[in-house]
Amino acid sequence: AQSVTQLGSHVSVSEGALVLLRCNYSSSVPPYLFWYVQYPNQGLQLLLKYTTGATLVKGINGFEAEFKKSETSFHLTKPSAHMSDAAEYFCAVSGVTGGGNKLTFGTGTQLKVEL
Amino acid sequence: GAVVSQHPSRVICKSGTSVKIECRSLDFQATTMFWYRQFPKQSLMLMATSNEGSKATYEQGVEKDKFLINHASLTLSTLTVTSAHPEDSSFYICSAITRGLSGTSGYNEQFFGPGTRLTVL
Repeated sequence: AQSVTQLGSHVSVSEGALVLLRCNYSSSVPPYLFWYVQYPNQGLQLLLKYTTGATLVKGINGFEAEFKKSETSFHLTKPSAHMSDAAEYFCAVSGVTGGGNKLTFGTGTQLKVEL
Repeated sequence: GAVVSQHPSRVICKSGTSVKIECRSLDFQATTMFWYRQFPKQSLMLMATSNEGSKATYEQGVEKDKFLINHASLTLSTLTVTSAHPEDSSFYICSAITRGLSGTSGYNEQFFGPGTRLTVL
């Protein structure tokens, strides 16, 4: 069984400030971890993913995340927030199972960027 | 590449009617498609997994007779909400897995459609 916990349903930062969105996971098999972004009334866009290899993963739009097995975490960061980063962010976990790579999503974090 | 479309993007229907939502992979063949629903301010919940040419696998608590899924080809899956009621109003999102592109990691990335907003009056 797999689950994802996103701490903080709403995060507010100033433009130019550091963005930190927290994600902790639980998985009985080696996890694949993902961050997606969703703009209003749109589908999901993949920001980045961790499958194997390097634990620090760089994604699009300047985002990155680090897989920390000891902490079962996969927090998303961006050094400097931009107004266009305001959106809903979802962390997700998957494992290679007979279910064909099903994703389990966290409850999401709404990021607000203020001037 | 790896574009998934959904049609319609928005639909409003009367209670008791049926609504069909299409999910298409535009530039790749999709062995598997997933259907999710998302209530306002909530996360995506997997409804069912659809494999081409076989019956869909529904998640626990999802009524298969109410949410009919047909995956007739490698590029098209449809979700039909039968006898829709106001509580079925939601944002429905599909995703697709590319065929034969497992990569070194063994994981097949899901590509998401833009979603369909269903409102049942």
